[in-house]
Amino acid sequence: AQTVTQSQPEMSVQEAETVTLSCTYDTSESDYYLFWYKQPPSRQMILVIRQEAYKQQNATENRFSVNFQKAAKSFSLKISDSQLGDAAMYFCAYSSPGNTPLVFGKGTRLSVIA
Amino acid sequence: KAGVTQTPRYLIKTRGQQVTLSCSPISGHRSVSWYQQTPGQGLQFLFEYFSETQRNKGNFPGRFSGRQFSNSRSEMNVSTLELGDSALYLCASSLRAGAGTEAFFGQGTRLTVV
Repeated sequence: AQTVTQSQPEMSVQEAETVTLSCTYDTSESDYYLFWYKQPPSRQMILVIRQEAYKQQNATENRFSVNFQKAAKSFSLKISDSQLGDAAMYFCAYSSPGNTPLVFGKGTRLSVIA
Repeated sequence: KAGVTQTPRYLIKTRGQQVTLSCSPISGHRSVSWYQQTPGQGLQFLFEYFSETQRNKGNFPGRFSGRQFSNSRSEMNVSTLELGDSALYLCASSLRAGAGTEAFFGQGTRLTVV
């Protein structure tokens, strides 16, 4: 079964600084998708960024970028120029054609310090 | 365009009762998935529906059931409630079924079983 591991339960970052959240996953499939979701106190999960495994280029969305290391099964999220609004729970998730429901990690709670 | 709407937002039930939660997906979305979120277990997949058919089911007891209507709205039902069923239940809708399709989440229903 596919598993997703987020080893950092909590992280903090100074406003305007950069922070990296870690995620590793385990799968025997070659075709899959990886996601980072943000869950603010409002509880609504919001997609931050998506990566397709067959694409070697790391995905980027404004201040958010990923470091996708397929061989190492690692998918970290980098947040640049952190803002107070970035404070939330961040979940790494996996999905594949053979297992379409999202498999989530336990999450990392990010605090942003003014 | 309206987002995913889950009702009710909060619910308090007594052990042994049953409960029905509702999810209205984004207009035009035909796929609906349900997840249970608890502090201990994190986010766990319950069901996935597409065009009124259950495509996938998570590892939950038979007390958990769901359905999808012709207008893509979905309901999930939990019978004989247990204290451990207390959780945030999240619904996600997608334009179509399949890995990689962006899932849009509702704000969830917070169920408390006393």
